[in-house]
Amino acid sequence: DAKTTQPNSMESNEEEPVHLPCNHSTISGTDYIHWYRQLPSQGPEYVIHGLTSNVNNRMASLAIAEDRKSSTLILHRATLRDAAVYYCILRGANFGNEKLTFGTGTRLTIIP
Amino acid sequence: NAGVMQNPRHLVRRRGQEARLRCSPMKGHSHVYWYRQLPEEGLKFMVYLQKENIIDESGMPKERFSAEFPKEGPSILRIQQVVRGDSAAYFCASSQGPNYGYTFGSGTRLTVV
Repeated sequence: DAKTTQPNSMESNEEEPVHLPCNHSTISGTDYIHWYRQLPSQGPEYVIHGLTSNVNNRMASLAIAEDRKSSTLILHRATLRDAAVYYCILRGANFGNEKLTFGTGTRLTIIP
Repeated sequence: NAGVMQNPRHLVRRRGQEARLRCSPMKGHSHVYWYRQLPEEGLKFMVYLQKENIIDESGMPKERFSAEFPKEGPSILRIQQVVRGDSAAYFCASSQGPNYGYTFGSGTRLTVV
């Protein structure tokens, strides 16, 4: 599986934007970039995913570098409920290569 | 539209008993994945199934663990002769396919005493 690299932890002030980086220099042409988050004592929650173009949804935005070797998850206005571990994962599109492999993620702390 | 349903939420088993964990995927989702999370550790992939087929079981322990996703009914993760080291949170996820995100259930927390 292609690997991703994320900072172990980040802090952000409440109501400010948060930019969570992810490096994936060995990404293949058919890999999707997925982001999930896990709040304490809960199951992971889908945040966003994309292939080449930047993506927006109600939760966040995903900015993908032109060479696809890195991406950034953007939370536009952090709240205390956004405190979680955020995982950046590459997911293959070929049959049998579709599982998500979770790394250690980035633990995001929101400061009130 | 209910999400991924897992039951039971909590399960206590004595060493040597069997544990059966159930997962009903979201309506319209034909791909099911099981993950295990040991205390204070990350999520580890166990098995990927489609209806009546095991697609990838590379993360399943070789003994005591099995999974199925029958034509009718929920997916089942079965652990025979449980040991204390099996105590963990087991999460199920479903997806429509590789171009879509996963939806996770709330998990089953297994405690072996």
